[in-house]
Amino acid sequence: AQKITQTQPGMFVQEKEAVTLDCTYDTSDPSYGLFWYKQPSSGEMIFLIYQGSYDQQNATEGRYSLNFQKARKSANLVISASQLGDSAMYFCAMKGFQKLVFGTGTRLLVSP
Amino acid sequence: GAGVSQTPSNKVTEKGKYVELRCDPISGHTALYWYRQSLGQGPEFLIYFQGTGAADDSGLPNDRFFAVRPEGSVSTLKIQRTERGDSAVYLCASSLGSGDHEQFFGPGTRLTVL
Repeated sequence: AQKITQTQPGMFVQEKEAVTLDCTYDTSDPSYGLFWYKQPSSGEMIFLIYQGSYDQQNATEGRYSLNFQKARKSANLVISASQLGDSAMYFCAMKGFQKLVFGTGTRLLVSP
Repeated sequence: GAGVSQTPSNKVTEKGKYVELRCDPISGHTALYWYRQSLGQGPEFLIYFQGTGAADDSGLPNDRFFAVRPEGSVSTLKIQRTERGDSAVYLCASSLGSGDHEQFFGPGTRLTVL
């Protein structure tokens, strides 16, 4: 069975600072994908970044980067230069066969 | 182009009633997923369609839940004899194909069972 663990229920960061959101995973599948989604108060899940288990380099998408450490089974999200609009819930997820398995999320609050 | 749409956005019903939740995926997307998100939790998988067929329904909690996608596009999630524990946000997602990485999510339907 696949499992995602997010141990930070809430994180605070000041505008323009960088923040790291933690995610560890467990799976016996040799091939898998790791995702981060953002869920603002409106409720919609917004895809941020994807990392494949065989990708050699860490994924980056604009201000988002994924710190993938396969041996430690971690896939932390790094947001650089935080903005007020980054305040939201952030979910780490894993895709094995087809479905996504989500963690419990981290609520990020960006202060001015 | 339009994203994934879900109707209704909110549904309030009484315990024991039957409800239908609709999902309209992105045009051309063959894979469609239903998830349920309870308060304070991450989304939990319910069922996955590839085309018209349910390829994986292992997440459906019991036989009160059923979903269809008769023409390979719009999907309907059906819940019989609703219970208060069914209250949650029901999210639909679609992807271009089963092998595609990104699932595009709709805004969800908030179901409240009184």
